[in-house]
Amino acid sequence: GENVEQHPSTLSVQEGDSAVIKCTYSDSASNYFPWYKQELGKRPQLIIDIRSNVGEKKDQRIAVTLNKTAKHFSLHITETQPEDSAVYFCAANQAGTALIFGKGTTLSVSS
Amino acid sequence: GAVVSQHPSRVICKSGTSVKIECRSLDFQATTMFWYRQFPKQSLMLMATSNEGSKATYEQGVEKDKFLINHASLTLSTLTVTSAHPEDSSFYICSARTGRSQETQYFGPGTRLLVL
Repeated sequence: GENVEQHPSTLSVQEGDSAVIKCTYSDSASNYFPWYKQELGKRPQLIIDIRSNVGEKKDQRIAVTLNKTAKHFSLHITETQPEDSAVYFCAANQAGTALIFGKGTTLSVSS
Repeated sequence: GAVVSQHPSRVICKSGTSVKIECRSLDFQATTMFWYRQFPKQSLMLMATSNEGSKATYEQGVEKDKFLINHASLTLSTLTVTSAHPEDSSFYICSARTGRSQETQYFGPGTRLLVL
């Protein structure tokens, strides 16, 4: 089955800096790669996703890149703000299967 | 659209009792629902995949006799934690998939279970 590795586990940045979180996956059949933001005690919220037919996707300050050959994808947050502080999870799956999550990255943005 | 609800949001029970958690898709029909468990400061771990009208598929290491899943309709799946023990205390989150997208999952708000 799919296995998703995520790094780093914690990330501290200054407000305004960029943050990058990286994930690798094992199943070459996976073709959907979402990123979730989770605040304490709440459900994961989808912030951006990418499918395997695309190499990069951007939504304002958030971007995701995908390298299918190397089986890794990354989340990029630019101009970070204190409200970006949360736990971020990457995940992967293919049609018809459950999302498998990485272990999460705790992002702290200090002002 | 694609709203998923869970009930209850929090439950405290005594060791040895059973607890039922409901997961509902409010504005769409969900042929497949998924149950995850999340311990403090950890990731979401898939417990089982629930298909309407058939038996759930459990992940390795998840006891199917302890975590009973029923998906009797296209909008409701239930997870019953039987004979709960303190180590079952966790955050249980369901998700559902619409028929339109085979990959995207919509998550419920989660249920915090505390077993005393």
